[in-house]
Amino acid sequence: EVQVLESGGGLVQPGGSLRLSCVASGFTFSSYVMSWVRQAPGKGLEWVSGLSGSGGTAHYADSVKGRFTISRDNSKNTLYLQMNSLRAEDTAIYYCAKEAQWFGQLPFDYWGQGTLATVSS
Amino acid sequence: ETVMTQSPAVLSVSPGERATLSCRASQSVSSNLAWYQQKPGQAPRLLIHGASTRATGIPARFSGSGSGTEFTLTISSLQSEDFAVYYCQQYSNWPPYTFGQGTKLDIK
Repeated sequence: EVQVLESGGGLVQPGGSLRLSCVASGFTFSSYVMSWVRQAPGKGLEWVSGLSGSGGTAHYADSVKGRFTISRDNSKNTLYLQMNSLRAEDTAIYYCAKEAQWFGQLPFDYWGQGTLATVSS
Repeated sequence: ETVMTQSPAVLSVSPGERATLSCRASQSVSSNLAWYQQKPGQAPRLLIHGASTRATGIPARFSGSGSGTEFTLTISSLQSEDFAVYYCQQYSNWPPYTFGQGTKLDIK
């Protein structure tokens, strides 16, 4: 059974940093693209970043480029999102989602339950 | 960036009736279109991929159609558990992947 579990959310001041983690199981983690998708309170879904199975290719939304860094440790089946220079508009539930073996082949078939990051003074 | 536009924003339908949700892309996404269902406090669940292929375990009352820029999600004979928010997403023109703003399906 595929499982995805995020952690690391919390309250941080504007300009601060937060590191999210996502542990996955039930599939060959290193073979799949993984992404972060966020949802601001009461709003829709926004793709944030995606990383290839090897970790060699990363993509970012313009809204986070230069501030967020996605990475993975395939030996630990874990995906990370390092979020720096946080702004109030980054407040959201952050979901970790599994894709296909390369970008754009399939949509997100498994999602975690999300972790809430709140940026506020 | 490919902008996805869903209509209507809110759809009120009685249980047992049919619901038709629309999604339009600002440029062609071929058939690389997915539909998700999201209930309050839950993560989105994949319903349809490839515009018309049901994901594993999704009931046959959910069907998708369309290609290019116009897409439709149809739910025949609505059940109580179907009242939720539905999102479309394109995965053709990336990055970024983009979602519609959602359609809330309400009980009439």
